[in-house]
Amino acid sequence: AQKITQTQPGMFVQEKEAVTLDCTYDTSDPSYGLFWYKQPSSGEMIFLIYQGSYDQQNATEGRYSLNFQKARKSANLVISASQLGDSAMYFCAMRRANDYKLSFGAGTTVTVRA
Amino acid sequence: EAQVTQNPRYLITVTGKKLTVTCSQNMNHEYMSWYRQDPGLGLRQIYYSMNVEVTDKGDVPEGYKVSRKEKRNFPLILESPSPNQTSLYFCASRGQGLHEQYFGPGTRLTVT
Repeated sequence: AQKITQTQPGMFVQEKEAVTLDCTYDTSDPSYGLFWYKQPSSGEMIFLIYQGSYDQQNATEGRYSLNFQKARKSANLVISASQLGDSAMYFCAMRRANDYKLSFGAGTTVTVRA
Repeated sequence: EAQVTQNPRYLITVTGKKLTVTCSQNMNHEYMSWYRQDPGLGLRQIYYSMNVEVTDKGDVPEGYKVSRKEKRNFPLILESPSPNQTSLYFCASRGQGLHEQYFGPGTRLTVT
């Protein structure tokens, strides 16, 4: 089974600063996708960003960017200019091509301080 | 509005009392899945369905059943719930050829 590792259980960040959430993955498949989801205290899962294994450029979506280092099997999420509403749990996930499952990491809780 | 709905959102039940959590999506998606979320473990897939009448086990299928009689619906059945099935459950759907998986709002289940 694929393994997704998020080594930071919790992080604090000052409002307006950037924060990097670490994610490493383990797969032998050449074709896969990497995802980040946000889960606020209300519980819903919000899709943030996607990176394909063959994409040449790092994905960006507004204040979110994915630092994809394929050789290191790393897919870190960078949140720029943090806002109080960014306080949430963040999950890294991976899906192999032609698979029907997202494999998730354990999550990182981010708390933004005013 | 494109969405995945789940009912109920909250449920407290007793050991052994059969229950069903419903899931419905209005996006005509082929793929649907059930996940459970437990602290420190992230989300783990219980069952998935590739289309009507086609289902298969995920990583943690023990104690659960599913069915897919219609494309839009994918209910999760716990025939004899036990306390270790206390968890937060998510239904999700994805269209063929698409990347994003859409999640329902979650169902918080407590089995006493």
